[in-house]
Amino acid sequence: KQEVTQIPAALSVPEGENLVLNCSFTDSAIYNLQWFRQDPGKGLTSLLLIQSSQREQTSGRLNASLDKSSGRSTLYIAASQPGDSATYLCAVPPLIQGAQKLVFGQGTRLTINP
Amino acid sequence: NAGVMQNPRHLVRRRGQEARLRCSPMKGHSHVYWYRQLPEEGLKFMVYLQKENIIDESGMPKERFSAEFPKEGPSILRIQQVVRGDSAAYFCASSPYSGWQETQYFGPGTRLLVL
Repeated sequence: KQEVTQIPAALSVPEGENLVLNCSFTDSAIYNLQWFRQDPGKGLTSLLLIQSSQREQTSGRLNASLDKSSGRSTLYIAASQPGDSATYLCAVPPLIQGAQKLVFGQGTRLTINP
Repeated sequence: NAGVMQNPRHLVRRRGQEARLRCSPMKGHSHVYWYRQLPEEGLKFMVYLQKENIIDESGMPKERFSAEFPKEGPSILRIQQVVRGDSAAYFCASSPYSGWQETQYFGPGTRLLVL
């Protein structure tokens, strides 16, 4: 059974710092890995999707890497801003259990202090 | 192109009542997924539907919960005889096709509070 873990559960850093969020998964048989952002009281916004054949994806100040063999992904945020404050979730659709189900980590609650 | 729409955004029910949650997928999307987020927990898959078909309901509680996605109209998640443990945020997502290469687009969620 696929399990996804995100560490740390919460992170608070001053504005301008670069930071890394971690995601690990127990079963390396995945189609892809997605990073989402969730703002309080709102839905999820997809940030980056890395296919299983890729090692990283970039979008603006965000860079996500994927190491299937070790079951890890990282989300790198450069030059953090207060508007980046949110909960960040990673999710995988396991190969075995079916592509449609996303298995989520519990998220990292990020606070950027002005 | 409007995003995934869910209503109501907030729903309060007393124990024993029924809750009906609606989800309108993005235009052109025929695949709908429901997830539940319990307080202080991650999102958990509940059910995956295509028009008029339930494809995977492995995450649905065995009793009191049902889902449908009719040919016309929104997808409905129905919870009968609600209990306090049903209090959670329920999210709907949609995609144009099935398969691992398609991202799922999420709605804003319905926050259900059972008194």
